[in-house]
Amino acid sequence: DAGVIQSPRHEVTEMGQEVTLRCKPISGHNSLFWYRQTMMRGLELLIYFNNNVPIDDSGMPEDRFSAKMPNASFSTLKIQPSEPRDSAVYFCASSPRTGGTEAFFGQGTRLTVV
Amino acid sequence: DQQVKQNSPSLSVQEGRISILNCDYTNSMFDYFLWYKKYPAEGPTFLISISSIKDKNEDGRFTVFLNKSAKHLSLHIVPSQPGDSAVYFCAAKKTGSQGNLIFGKGTKLSVKP
Repeated sequence: DAGVIQSPRHEVTEMGQEVTLRCKPISGHNSLFWYRQTMMRGLELLIYFNNNVPIDDSGMPEDRFSAKMPNASFSTLKIQPSEPRDSAVYFCASSPRTGGTEAFFGQGTRLTVV
Repeated sequence: DQQVKQNSPSLSVQEGRISILNCDYTNSMFDYFLWYKKYPAEGPTFLISISSIKDKNEDGRFTVFLNKSAKHLSLHIVPSQPGDSAVYFCAAKKTGSQGNLIFGKGTKLSVKP
């Protein structure tokens, strides 16, 4: 299994531009999580899905952030418009079952907004 | 307010010796705890976990201890190896939650040859 696949690995964009991060979870996993890692706040959960349905998006910082999971094998995290303070590493993770505790992480997308 | 705290940002240990990484939590609703290891430019990888009904779980060189009354857990690595050098994250899950984890800020372990 290829594991959780995220793209792109690195993204540099100008302030005000739209940014879309992509994630392909491990096949058969039915929970998907988006995390953000910063020096100040560490790893924060932004949103998670069970069976493609958003369950808790209370970690999404602002309305500029949105996430979708149109099917079991794909999810996106969109930031529009992007701001320099959004610069961070964004991780996607999946878990094999609802309530599963062991999450498998992708390699992350390093986002830099200039 | 941080619910999972790793108060030591870094730890340096000699190869062959024991590494002890600590984690404190504040929420008594946590029922499951995990440790993840992270190398640079990679995602965190699961290392070991423990349920709140246990006080110890061992897997090879890695042992996690849980002290519920103190709301404290620790990860012991014996013997430490240079390949163990990484950032270690403590994570916790609340009772009844559907799998979302709350992470500490991590401790960077350096194992010197």
